[in-house]
Amino acid sequence: AQSVTQLDSHVSVSEGTPVLLRCNYSSSYSPSLFWYVQHPNKGLQLLLKYTSAATLVKGINGFEAEFKKSETSFHLTKPSAHMSDAAEYFCVVSERYSGYALNFGKGTSLLVTP
Amino acid sequence: DTGVSQNPRHKITKRGQNVTFRCDPISEHNRLYWYRQTLGQGPEFLTYFQNEAQLEKSRLLSDRFSAERPKGSFSTLEIQRTEQGDSAMYLCASREGLEYEQYFGPGTRLTVT
Repeated sequence: AQSVTQLDSHVSVSEGTPVLLRCNYSSSYSPSLFWYVQHPNKGLQLLLKYTSAATLVKGINGFEAEFKKSETSFHLTKPSAHMSDAAEYFCVVSERYSGYALNFGKGTSLLVTP
Repeated sequence: DTGVSQNPRHKITKRGQNVTFRCDPISEHNRLYWYRQTLGQGPEFLTYFQNEAQLEKSRLLSDRFSAERPKGSFSTLEIQRTEQGDSAMYLCASREGLEYEQYFGPGTRLTVT
């Protein structure tokens, strides 16, 4: 089975500073990788996805992620954090089985301070 | 609104009672997924439908759980003889095809007392 490991359970940044949320994956083949965001009391929203095209993937709200096969990483970055970015972020890999169901990491809680 | 909807949004039940949740996917989506999310964890896959056929079930889906999608449209998830460990957010997602994005509903939060 494919899996992801989110290296930080909590990340705190100041507004206007860069964001880095780290994710490593484990896969026996070329994976499909995603980042989802979950704001309190709201549904999961797709930020971006990698499906073996360009290794640098741009998503919504200024987020991007880089697929690095040599490091088995798919870290999420943003140049400048906004207060509205405070949320739970999930790194996700798509299984080949189970109808390509999603296998979520444990999540990283992003806190943005003024 | 044409997003995925789930009802009820919240359910409080006593241990041992049966509960049923409903998911209405986006209308043209033939694939439907159920996930469970416990506090502080990411969602975990429970089961998957293609049209009305239930094609995959996770080992997390004990025999107290049953899911249906009778006409390939809405789906129901029933939990019999609920236990406190069933307390979680139950999420539904749908997609048009395997290469397309999964869209998630807002979830049903179950609390078993």
